[in-house]
Amino acid sequence: GENVEQHPSTLSVQEGDSAVIKCTYSDSASNYFPWYKQELGKGPQLIIDIRSNVGEKKDQRIAVTLNKTAKHFSLHITETQPEDSAVYFCAASKRSNDYKLSFGAGTTVTVRA
Amino acid sequence: SQTIHQWPATLVQPVGSPLSLECTVEGTSNPNLYWYRQAAGRGLQLLFYSVGIGQISSEVPQNLSASRPQDRQFILSSKKLLLSDSGFYLCAWSAGGAETQYFGPGTRLLVL
Repeated sequence: GENVEQHPSTLSVQEGDSAVIKCTYSDSASNYFPWYKQELGKGPQLIIDIRSNVGEKKDQRIAVTLNKTAKHFSLHITETQPEDSAVYFCAASKRSNDYKLSFGAGTTVTVRA
Repeated sequence: SQTIHQWPATLVQPVGSPLSLECTVEGTSNPNLYWYRQAAGRGLQLLFYSVGIGQISSEVPQNLSASRPQDRQFILSSKKLLLSDSGFYLCAWSAGGAETQYFGPGTRLLVL
């Protein structure tokens, strides 16, 4: 099955700086890659996703890039704010597997004021 | 708009007791439904998913079972809880055939 690895496991950044989280996946047939943000005690919330037919997607301060050849994708958060502090998860899925998600282990992001 | 509910929010149960967690979705029809477990500080593990009433697929062998008695209702059960069943249980839904999953608020289960 699909194996998704996520790095780093923890990330501390100064407010206003950028944060980058990287994920690799093993199944070249995967074609959908969402990112979720989970605040303490809450369910994960979808923040951005990308499909395999594009290489980059941006939504305000958040962007995701995908390199299908290398089988990795990254989340970029610019101008970080204290409210960006949370655990972020990447995931991968494919149509032939009913789009069941395989998750990375998560990255705990702390934005220092 | 669509909303997903889970209850209870928290639950403390003794080892060997039964379990029933409920998930309901509003504002959509024929959703795919999912149960995940999240151990403390860990990622999400898919336990069950369902593409329709009475259709349940189990992803990992375990002490739990799932049922879907109605289109927008998904239930996670156990006859006898184990200590290892403690965790944060999340329900999710997606539109049938679509990729994007949306998560509920979760139920925190502590088995003592």
